[in-house]
Amino acid sequence: QVQLQESGPGLVKPSETLSLTCTVSGDSISYSYYWGWIRQPPGKGLEWIGSIYLGPSTYYNPSLKSRVTISVDTSKNQFSLKLNSVTAADTAVYYCARDMGLEGRFDPWGRGTLVTVSS
Amino acid sequence: QSALTQPASVSGSRGQSITISCTGTSSDVGGYNYVSWYQQHPGKAPKLIIYNVSNRPSGVSNRFSGSKSGNTASLTISGLQAEDEGDYSCSSYTSSSTLVVFGGGTKLIVL
Repeated sequence: QVQLQESGPGLVKPSETLSLTCTVSGDSISYSYYWGWIRQPPGKGLEWIGSIYLGPSTYYNPSLKSRVTISVDTSKNQFSLKLNSVTAADTAVYYCARDMGLEGRFDPWGRGTLVTVSS
Repeated sequence: QSALTQPASVSGSRGQSITISCTGTSSDVGGYNYVSWYQQHPGKAPKLIIYNVSNRPSGVSNRFSGSKSGNTASLTISGLQAEDEGDYSCSSYTSSSTLVVFGGGTKLIVL
């Protein structure tokens, strides 16, 4: 059974870089599938941040593309998210998930981690 | 503002059926059979319950069904149960550079 777990700081200062890691168990990140990040601001809807496919090929939401980097570490079976120049608007629960093919189908998801941007 | 439009809330009594709509455009919902639905309970991660408009992942109750007409996709939950209460979100592939869009989510209240 595939499981994903997000990790990283829960508090980031404005203008700094948000960094999160997703550890995958029960499946090799080196095989097929994409691996993605999605966020949900408090009380709001879900927003796709981006996905990575081994190659590596990366795909980002244009609204965040200038600030986002997604990378993968196959030796640790992990993939990571970096979002720079954060503001309060980036405060959200960040989820990692297996992306079944850039078609909006994510399964399964990690439990999510709340990242607050505040000084 | 989310790319796909969902009602903010719907409600139904136990045992009844409800339908949640998800309206997009011909560039997303209407143009492709790549609509997914997610169930989310408070403080929990979203769970995939429908993909490719009407397919259920293994283990998902057959009380959940999906359909699409034009630019609007729908999720129907039959035989409402207390544990169905939560938030439901739709997603779709889009031919725009955004690639993946979500709805704003619908809160289901079981009376």
